[in-house]
Amino acid sequence: GIQVEQSPPDLILQEGANSTLRCNFSDSVNNLQWFHQNPWGQLINLFYIPSGTKQNGRLSATTVATERYSLLYISSSQTTDSGVYFCASMEYGNKLVFGAGTILRVKS
Amino acid sequence: DAGVTQSPTHLIKTRGQQVTLRCSPKSGHDTVSWYQQALGQGPQFIFQYYEEEERQRGNFPDRFSGHQFPNYSSELNVNALLLGDSALYLCASSSTGELFFGEGSRLTVL
Repeated sequence: GIQVEQSPPDLILQEGANSTLRCNFSDSVNNLQWFHQNPWGQLINLFYIPSGTKQNGRLSATTVATERYSLLYISSSQTTDSGVYFCASMEYGNKLVFGAGTILRVKS
Repeated sequence: DAGVTQSPTHLIKTRGQQVTLRCSPKSGHDTVSWYQQALGQGPQFIFQYYEEEERQRGNFPDRFSGHQFPNYSSELNVNALLLGDSALYLCASSSTGELFFGEGSRLTVL
């Protein structure tokens, strides 16, 4: 099956800094999603981005399907951005395969 | 528009007991998937239901079973609970493509 790798595993930022999270996947995919998991465990949808670039406020994402990677950009980080960020790609039959996540800590 | 709802939010069981978790999908969604997330790990796919049938299954033993009802809601049942079943259980719904998750049910097995 598909393998999904995320980097870095941990990231500490000062408030206001920018960051880039990376997601590599082992095979071609037709669905790539980014999530933010809040402290209570809920996965919040950030982007559904099989290819191309999307932006939502301070967050943007780019997926280059032919090169099998996706990037999540966070600009002007805030303490509320802290948490775990997951990317997940979809295998045959709508099964999402998750990476191990990036733990982001934003300090004030 | 209500999102994906799960119940209960927290529960504690002892080894050998059985548990049932419930999920109501987002309005308009007909496919429900269940995931298990152990502490410090990414969610792992358990199985998926569509049209009241299990359509796909991950690498989980038969102790894990499920059901989907005509209104698309779903249940996850786990029999003969083990300590290792302690985890956050997440339900996701979809129609085409993008999946949306509920807040999860946190199960502790003592």
